Amino acid sequence: DVQLVESGGGLVTPGGSLRLSCETSGFNFDYTSLNWVRQAPGKGLEWVASFSHVGDIFYADSVKGRFTISRDNAKRSVFLQMNSLRVDDTAVYFCATDPYITGYFDHWGQGTRVTVSS
Amino acid sequence: FVLTQPHSVSESPGKTINISCTGSGGSIGSNYVQWYQQRPGSAPTLLIYEDDHRPSGVPDRFSGSVDSSSNSASLSISGLKTEDEADYYCLSYDAGVHWVFGGGTKLTVL
Repeated sequence: DVQLVESGGGLVTPGGSLRLSCETSGFNFDYTSLNWVRQAPGKGLEWVASFSHVGDIFYADSVKGRFTISRDNAKRSVFLQMNSLRVDDTAVYFCATDPYITGYFDHWGQGTRVTVSS
Repeated sequence: FVLTQPHSVSESPGKTINISCTGSGGSIGSNYVQWYQQRPGSAPTLLIYEDDHRPSGVPDRFSGSVDSSSNSASLSISGLKTEDEADYYCLSYDAGVHWVFGGGTKLTVL
């Protein structure tokens, strides 16, 4: 079975940093694009970042320059380093697979909650 | 590129509902549209991909379409069941913003 397990969320003050991790199993990690998607409390889904299996990296404008996505194929994991956090970064962060790089987000983790507050 | 969905829709069990996803600032017909279902407290699940294809396991009560003339996509759910109550999101691609979700539509089956 495919599994994605996010971790690393928590409470942080504005301007602080957090590093999210998403550990995976059950699919061909090396040939799958990985994404981070977030959902602010009571709000809709927002795509955050993508790291394709061929090394292409993309970010939403709202996080560009502050967040960094990375992946470790040996550990079958994707990470999201979040710096200069703002109150409006408060959200549940999901990782999701996209095997065809077509928006086909076929597997999702359960999410990890990030709260940015003073 | 922005995808606009109605905030909420409601319909009775057994009926058919259509949820629209209208593009602005770009052509929705230029790239595929996906649809996701999200039940409260759960992660989203893929419902429709490449405009009108269903992943295995998704009932054929769910269907998708794209109308380039109105720059919109539509998710249709027939034979509504109370279990279909959820939030529904469209997703598409734009070279300027990469992936973009619609704002989501809350479906109530009453």
